[in-house]
Amino acid sequence: QQQVKQSPQSLIVQKGGISIINCAYENTAFDYFPWYQQFPGKGPALLIAIRPDVSEKKEGRFTISFNKSAKQFSLHIMDSQPGDSATYFCAARENYGGSQGNLIFGKGTKLSVKP
Amino acid sequence: DAGVTQSPTHLIKTRGQQVTLRCSPKSGHDTVSWYQQALGQGPQFIFQYYEEEERQRGNFPDRFSGHQFPNYSSELNVNALLLGDSALYLCASRSLGEQYFGPGTRLTVT
Repeated sequence: QQQVKQSPQSLIVQKGGISIINCAYENTAFDYFPWYQQFPGKGPALLIAIRPDVSEKKEGRFTISFNKSAKQFSLHIMDSQPGDSATYFCAARENYGGSQGNLIFGKGTKLSVKP
Repeated sequence: DAGVTQSPTHLIKTRGQQVTLRCSPKSGHDTVSWYQQALGQGPQFIFQYYEEEERQRGNFPDRFSGHQFPNYSSELNVNALLLGDSALYLCASRSLGEQYFGPGTRLTVT
């Protein structure tokens, strides 16, 4: 059973456009939702993260929107650049009674930004 | 400040062999987790070490084992390698907060 569902699988955006990647989850025990960026041959790099008591978080061109009631969250990349071309993973972490659990990842979205 | 480092970068093993992968966490981090990332997939949690003990474990067989040393560095051991064990093995470290990943070790089993 896939606990974090990510869509789309791939995305092509023109330079300067907005890239939007969506994730949905079922487990209400999740308490932390990070997004990671991964380039080929590299490990995932933390991009931005949000907790469920906040509906939106913005860092530079990257914004997370969080809808707790719908159990959905999304990543928006404004003014997308060719250098943003990478695979993006959403993830969720379960809270074990105050102890931090492991990360559960979505299957990833391969983003290509065309010049 | 060095981030998470892993060694080796890549290696090739034969079915049935054993392999040991190594990880040094980011400075100040005391918790190390290991993930397996198959080609085209998201990372899958293997286990987590804190205070030299395995604290959490994902859905991986006992062929996967680990160790954490007093300096917080860690090893991942895989016995009786299968073709399906071919993947990128990622180490991640944290201390109370965000989890940071190393570059990974690419394991190919032939």
